[in-house]
Amino acid sequence: DAMVIQNPRYQVTQFGKPVTLSCSQTLNHNVMYWYQQKSSQAPKLLFHYYDKDFNNEADTPDNFQSRRPNTSFCFLDIRSPGLGDAAMYLCATSRGGGIEQYFGPGTRLTVT
Amino acid sequence: KQEVTQIPAALSVPEGENLVLNCSFTDSAIYNLQWFRQDPGKGLTSLLLIQSSQREQTSGRLNASLDKSSGRSTLYIAASQPGDSATYLCAVEGGADGLTFGKGTHLIIQP
Repeated sequence: DAMVIQNPRYQVTQFGKPVTLSCSQTLNHNVMYWYQQKSSQAPKLLFHYYDKDFNNEADTPDNFQSRRPNTSFCFLDIRSPGLGDAAMYLCATSRGGGIEQYFGPGTRLTVT
Repeated sequence: KQEVTQIPAALSVPEGENLVLNCSFTDSAIYNLQWFRQDPGKGLTSLLLIQSSQREQTSGRLNASLDKSSGRSTLYIAASQPGDSATYLCAVEGGADGLTFGKGTHLIIQP
């Protein structure tokens, strides 16, 4: 089945230790998104790629970066995680703007 | 800046009841509206997508309506079951900028 895959599902990192979260898709969609969802809050868009074009939300911390080496894969890098970065990170894909988004199962990040 | 509000924040009803979840948004210039389900600690499952030109969509026991001019959507769940217990999220898309979500309605269906 075509799908959006996130690895790992659970990630524990230490305060200040860089961490990378992975997302892959078999849908061959042009757009890939990263959302952050803190406990009991709405998911919040961090950034997205339209093909190779990177679009950063204005209020996304500089601590967060992303890479998309090819159509199938997208990575979220957190350079120096703080306690406030503990959250569920959701990856989504779509064929284009204004078209249905498909979400992966998420990666729950814990910062100790 | 788009804002999405969902009412009620939480709802608990006996099994078998029909119920309505509400979503409102401040900017009517949207491409579409999606309703999602989220189980505890899990990702998002898409339930229904309504394009801006549509008024409603149906899937099984679920029916979602959209009134773009007034900035409102409702999700109707018929004959609720305990398995429907989850958080229901409403989200709107204004273009290639991703979705703006509400905080969700936490639904509990009592057996």
